[in-house]
Amino acid sequence: ETGVTQTPRHLVMGMTNKKSLKCEQHLGHNAMYWYKQSAKKPLELMFVYNFKEQTENNSVPSRFSPECPNSSHLFLHLHTLQPEDSALYLCASSQEGDPQETQYFGPGTRLLVL
Amino acid sequence: TQLLEQSPQFLSIQEGENLTVYCNSSSVFSSLQWYRQEPGEGPVLLVTVVTGGEVKKLKRLTFQFGDARKDSSLHITAAQPGDTGLYLCAGAAAGTYKYIFGTGTRLKVLA
Repeated sequence: ETGVTQTPRHLVMGMTNKKSLKCEQHLGHNAMYWYKQSAKKPLELMFVYNFKEQTENNSVPSRFSPECPNSSHLFLHLHTLQPEDSALYLCASSQEGDPQETQYFGPGTRLLVL
Repeated sequence: TQLLEQSPQFLSIQEGENLTVYCNSSSVFSSLQWYRQEPGEGPVLLVTVVTGGEVKKLKRLTFQFGDARKDSSLHITAAQPGDTGLYLCAGAAAGTYKYIFGTGTRLKVLA
């Protein structure tokens, strides 16, 4: 148990659908992250939130829209996705001020876009 | 752009064998982490190394950070089926603690 939960664990959606991924961390951390993990590509950082404020957007297309209502919850809103967006989406959290900023990952949401 | 290359990409070995996984870059990192990811799960941190030449041991796993802080290795002694997984290195650029991830090594240990 890593203390970071993600729902749903699996998601199949059409290109015209709108869906949301949810992440919750129970570790009292103040930084949260979204990553994309595709086959044959390194883990890619998408967004970073520190104290609910977005501090990094790694050139992510606007069809991905993050939301961080508080330091424990992070959402990724999806709309008009493309088949190449199919991947494992991982959420992570860390404590700002931790010298090594150890990140704790959730189990991920496996997304398939048809 | 910093890039972390891991080798080998895939490794299949028998239980009891030893193995080494490498993580290389042309860039200098302030710290480097190793993770293991099992199917259906997120990566789990194994170790963080911060000093050039540093060696850390975690049971049968030995991690080394290169003297120039551009590379790292993970050595597993007497591998077991439970060691099966995707091993990822992640380096933080000098002066920051933002990590970029390597290409990964997928290890399978056969009983």
